[in-house]
Amino acid sequence: EVQLVESGGGLVQPGRSLRLSCAASGFTFDDYAMHWVRQAPGKGLEWVSGISWNSGSIGYADSVKGRFTISRDNAKNSLYLQMNSLRAEDTALYYCAKGFTVTTRGAFDIWGQGTMVTVSS
Amino acid sequence: QSALTQPASVSGSPGQSITISCTGTSSDVGSYNLVSWYQQHPGKAPKLMIYEGSKRPSGVSNRFSGSKSGNTASLTISGLQAEDEADYYCCSYAGSSTPWVFGGGTKLTVL
Repeated sequence: EVQLVESGGGLVQPGRSLRLSCAASGFTFDDYAMHWVRQAPGKGLEWVSGISWNSGSIGYADSVKGRFTISRDNAKNSLYLQMNSLRAEDTALYYCAKGFTVTTRGAFDIWGQGTMVTVSS
Repeated sequence: QSALTQPASVSGSPGQSITISCTGTSSDVGSYNLVSWYQQHPGKAPKLMIYEGSKRPSGVSNRFSGSKSGNTASLTISGLQAEDEADYYCCSYAGSSTPWVFGGGTKLTVL
């Protein structure tokens, strides 16, 4: 069964850091791009960041550029999101999503259940 | 990068057809045939319904179809069923700098 399981969310103070992880199973992880998409409470979806199969192509939303870093470890079938200088507006459910292709140009065909990040003092 | 524009809500009766529009710009929807549509039920993760404008993933009902004209993409659901009631989001590739942009979402109510 194809599965994505996120972890690492929690309550964090503004300005602090948090690292999210996504464990993939049921497919050949290094054959696909991966993405992070977030959803603030009661709001719509926002693409956060994506990474190609070999980490050669990486992109970020303007809202997180310079603060968040995406990475992957193909040997561990894992995706990560290092989030620094967190703000209240980063509060959201963070989804890990599998890309349709090796590049970041493919749609998101498999989604995890998400991990909640709350930024508050 | 600005979000794509979708109507906040649409509604229809069982058996009817509805269309949800998704308006972007010549930098995203108009430039690439890479619009995708996602269905999200309350408390659930999104589900891919349409990719590359009009293609359906395996397992998605053929009652769902996608199209594009200029800077506007559309999702049509025919033969509405109660289970179709959900939020729907469009998403378009927008170039290598900030690759993906979502629409604000449309709440579909089946009357």
